[in-house]
Amino acid sequence: SYVLSQPPSVSVAPGQTANIICGGSNIGTKSVHWYQQKPGQAPLLVVYDDSDRPSGIPERFSGSNSGITATLTISRVEVGDEADYYCQVWDRSTDHPWIFGGGTKLTVL
Amino acid sequence: VQLLESGGAVVQPGGSLRLSCSASGFTFDNYAIHWVRQRPGKGLEWVSLISGDGRTTYYGDSVRGRFTISRDNRKNSLYLHMNSLRPEDSALYFCARAPWGGAFDYWGQGTLVTVSS
Repeated sequence: SYVLSQPPSVSVAPGQTANIICGGSNIGTKSVHWYQQKPGQAPLLVVYDDSDRPSGIPERFSGSNSGITATLTISRVEVGDEADYYCQVWDRSTDHPWIFGGGTKLTVL
Repeated sequence: VQLLESGGAVVQPGGSLRLSCSASGFTFDNYAIHWVRQRPGKGLEWVSLISGDGRTTYYGDSVRGRFTISRDNRKNSLYLHMNSLRPEDSALYFCARAPWGGAFDYWGQGTLVTVSS
């Protein structure tokens, strides 16, 4: 079955740029979605279809996807961005096509 | 758009439980709805999907044959019937809306299931 790999943690200072990667075989051929989850809260969609932002999500959140890696980029990181981030794809080749990465904990130092 | 889960409880191994998800603010039968779970301290795990018309369902490997997803479009409600529960089914269960093949754009707050003797 299809596997998405994320680093367990990423640390960044306020005001800097955070890059959270999501690896998968030929992931560049799939649409990647990214979710932010803060403690005690439900996940929140922050980027969909590789690089689009839902209404209300700051422009500081952006995404890219090519080859074997998708990336969520958070510019001008704020303390409030500290959260777990999950990538997700739909792999139509299987009978359980909705797949999440293991998640990355973003720590703002 | 609002999704509100209910039905979580403490249940013994081998027991059964039915979770519910009540939806509002959108045309319910236009959307596939999913169940996604999160074990304590762990990541998100997709569990099951039902199409808008209720005719198509999918299940994750860990629950197939034990869980059944259903919906009642007259009541704008989604259900997850859970049988033969195991300790590893203990998790916060979210319902989430997603266009077919698309992103989960709205989530409920979750309902907690604990399987323990």
